[in-house]
Amino acid sequence: EAQVTQNPRYLITVTGKKLTVTCSQNMNHEYMSWYRQDPGLGLRQIYYSMNVEVTDKGDVPEGYKVSRKEKRNFPLILESPSPNQTSLYFCASSSTRGQGPYQPQHFGDGTRLSIL
Amino acid sequence: EDKVVQSPLSLVVHEGDTVTLNCSYEVTNFRSLLWYKQEKKAPTFLFMLTSSGIEKKSGRLSSILDKKELSSILNITATQTGDSAIYLCAGSAQKLVFGQGTRLTINP
Repeated sequence: EAQVTQNPRYLITVTGKKLTVTCSQNMNHEYMSWYRQDPGLGLRQIYYSMNVEVTDKGDVPEGYKVSRKEKRNFPLILESPSPNQTSLYFCASSSTRGQGPYQPQHFGDGTRLSIL
Repeated sequence: EDKVVQSPLSLVVHEGDTVTLNCSYEVTNFRSLLWYKQEKKAPTFLFMLTSSGIEKKSGRLSSILDKKELSSILNITATQTGDSAIYLCAGSAQKLVFGQGTRLTINP
């Protein structure tokens, strides 16, 4: 079954404690992306990756890191989480067939992070 | 700065009504406009529009893109309670830029 898998689904942690949210896709997609969703603000892109070893900042990259060492995985790292990073996070992937995410994105089920 | 704006932000109607959701975009190197439906979990894909004036249809849902006006609409006819969701539109270029979403509530 084609899917994007995020872990964990829920996490409550404290300020400053490094955490990683994993994302894996089994569709051999080139393009992967992280979004955060906050009430009234829609989905905002954090980072995206066009392919292995190629990553770029989205609209709200501050406080986050990513890496793309393998095509299927795109982890999101919060080195020193703060309460304003409390949010619902989605990982997504798509085929590119060119230079961008021109095909519909497949989304993971989301990770709800609470930073106390 | 790229932006996508949806209206209304919230809409409450009765079952059986027809609704029109709006999306306007300013996206550099725009390639396509996508609509998603989000219920309790992840957004699910509805439509991708790349050509102006060509309506895409799926059951009671339809959508059209107007590249001259930099806008798109999503129509839902004969609404059902199962249509209650947040509807998101996004402009696609090198990255995907989402609007704030329209929260649609269908009352029986």
